[in-house]
Amino acid sequence: EAQVTQNPRYLITVTGKKLTVTCSQNMNHEYMSWYRQDPGLGLRQIYYSMNVEVTDKGDVPEGYKVSRKEKRNFPLILESPSPNQTSLYFCASSLVRGLNEQYFGPGTRLTVT
Amino acid sequence: AQSVTQPDIHITVSEGASLELRCNYSYGATPYLFWYVQSPGQGLQLLLKYFSGDTLVQGIKGFEAEFKRSQSSFNLRKPSVHWSDAAEYFCAVGGTGNQFYFGTGTSLTVIP
Repeated sequence: EAQVTQNPRYLITVTGKKLTVTCSQNMNHEYMSWYRQDPGLGLRQIYYSMNVEVTDKGDVPEGYKVSRKEKRNFPLILESPSPNQTSLYFCASSLVRGLNEQYFGPGTRLTVT
Repeated sequence: AQSVTQPDIHITVSEGASLELRCNYSYGATPYLFWYVQSPGQGLQLLLKYFSGDTLVQGIKGFEAEFKRSQSSFNLRKPSVHWSDAAEYFCAVGGTGNQFYFGTGTSLTVIP
């Protein structure tokens, strides 16, 4: 089954404790992206990757890191999480950047206390 | 700057009534337009997309949308709403640029 998977689905952590949210797709998509969803703000793009070893900042990259060492994986790293990063996070992939629809993972609910 | 505006934060309709959700975009190149739906606690599902050609596009679940270049709009419509359509709806724009831009969403409540 073609899908985007994210882990964990739910995470509660404390300020400053490094964490990684994994994302994997099995559709051989070139483009992958991370979004955060906050009430009243919709989805905002954090980082995106055009292909392996090619990443770039979206609209809200502060406090996040990403890497793309393999085509299928695109982890999101929070080196020192803060309460303002409490949010719902979505990973997405598409065949080629903005020219195709994105397929979304199920989301990761992150709470930073 | 690229952006998507969904002017209606929340809409309430009666079951069986027609629905129109508004979307306006600003994009510097040829826009590729999308509507997604998010049911409570779920991820986002693509309803329909517009790339080129016929400006009226059909999607899943009986939805359709019309692209109007002169108005920079891509409004979503459904002739008869079902209770299961209650969800959050997002308009998005992509294209030859590298990023996608989403609107802030419209929450739909359906009254029996």
